[in-house]
Amino acid sequence: ETTVTQSPASLSVATGEKVTIRCITSTDIDDDMNWYQQKPGEPPKLLISEGNTLRPGVPSRFSSSGYGTDFVFTIENTLSEDVADYYCLQSDNMPYTFGGGTKLEIK
Amino acid sequence: EVKLEESGGGLVQPGGSMKLSCVASGFTFSNYWMNWVRQSPEKGLEWVAEIRLKSNNYATHYAESVKGRFTISRDDSKSSVYLQMNNLRAEDTGIYYCTPYGNYVFDYWGQGTTLTVSS
Repeated sequence: ETTVTQSPASLSVATGEKVTIRCITSTDIDDDMNWYQQKPGEPPKLLISEGNTLRPGVPSRFSSSGYGTDFVFTIENTLSEDVADYYCLQSDNMPYTFGGGTKLEIK
Repeated sequence: EVKLEESGGGLVQPGGSMKLSCVASGFTFSNYWMNWVRQSPEKGLEWVAEIRLKSNNYATHYAESVKGRFTISRDDSKSSVYLQMNNLRAEDTGIYYCTPYGNYVFDYWGQGTTLTVSS
C-alpha cells in the first residue's frame, strides 16, 4: 500500500499570499497524483488530476507539480474564497490513498 | 449535469448491517467504474470499494479494513451502485460518498449519506 504524507496539517495566510502544500508518497507513483478542495459542508471537488492537469473551470491560480514521490500543490494570490481543506490522492495503485489533509485559513 | 444521490445511512448498532444506495444521472453510468469513499474526523478521506464494468466481469476491489464485511454491487439498468455493509464497527462511522472513476479519478461527488455505528 502506498502511504501518502501530506504537510502541513494547517496553515494560515493573508489574501494575496502564496500557499504551498506537499505530499510525499512511500512508493513511486509516476505523476498519478490528484488534488481536491473541500469546503465546509460540501463534498470534495477535484481541482487537479493526474499529470498535473487543471480541471476545466478551475482558476489558474491553482497548480501542481511533481513526479515520482514528491508532489507540490500551489495557490498563487490566495483569495478568501479559497478557505477550505485540501487533500491529495494517489491513483497509481490500489488501494487508492489520500493524504491527511491541509486546513487553509485566511488571516 | 452529473448528479449522484446517496441514501440508506442512519444509526446502527455494532455488529449490525446496512445497505447504502447511490443513484447516478447525467453520464453513461455503465461506462464508469464506481467507488465508495468515506470520511470521518478521525481518519479523513478513505477509499472503501470499487466495482468495474461488465466488460471487466464487474471486478471488485476493497480496502483491507472492510474486506469480508462489505460488498459493492451495481445495477447498470438503474444507474445505481450499492454498498452492503455487515458486521459494522464503530470505526465505520462516517459520511459515505459514491463517486465515479472515468477519464479522471473521482471527478464527481454526491452530498453523501451518514452512517453512525453506536450502541
